[in-house]
Amino acid sequence: SQQGEEDPQALSIQEGENATMNCSYKTSINNLQWYRQNSGRGLVHLILIRSNEREKHSGRLRVTLDTSKKSSSLLITASRAADTASYFCATVRAYSGAGSYQLTFGKGTKLSVIP
Amino acid sequence: DAGVIQSPRHEVTEMGQEVTLRCKPISGHDYLFWYRQTMMRGLELLIYFNNNVPIDDSGMPEDRFSAKMPNASFSTLKIQPSEPRDSAVYFCASSGSWDRYGYTFGSGTRLTVV
Repeated sequence: SQQGEEDPQALSIQEGENATMNCSYKTSINNLQWYRQNSGRGLVHLILIRSNEREKHSGRLRVTLDTSKKSSSLLITASRAADTASYFCATVRAYSGAGSYQLTFGKGTKLSVIP
Repeated sequence: DAGVIQSPRHEVTEMGQEVTLRCKPISGHDYLFWYRQTMMRGLELLIYFNNNVPIDDSGMPEDRFSAKMPNASFSTLKIQPSEPRDSAVYFCASSGSWDRYGYTFGSGTRLTVV
């Protein structure tokens, strides 16, 4: 089942602009991850943010997490044509038993950066 | 490290045939996952292993699907018999931790059942 829901489904911006994608989820989580997928390729991990963290940065990426609202956002600053891809959030929730956890992906946001 | 290696990259088979997808995870990663991606359903977790033991196979569609991990460096996903609705991209991913690191995905196997 899909836990994370990205918004918007598609986003088109000019090169140099910032891109913001949002993710909402339904149950409590242990961590939330963002991935990028270029057309026809596998997913690439971008950032992992734990439930006790509020913000994380990696290069031009900034991720925020608001557990009270069950939402996260991914900001890409100064976008480039090479950022064109689909972006997915994935939530991780541990449940009973050692090594038992659930990771579910949203359906993604398709970002197009126009040169 | 060469990353997660999947084979074959593409597979076209006739309905009713057996299909075997293969995955070599990153050495030292304790977790291995099989996902399926389609336009309609997005990314679906089929099964995952921890230390070669299947932990959660609730995502396996039906008995036609089976997965094994005979050792830490190899896993297979088998579909027998295959059906056209199994057409999808199948990804294998591995991770060293469920809480500290993200997953490393393979390039996927694009399966077409005609």
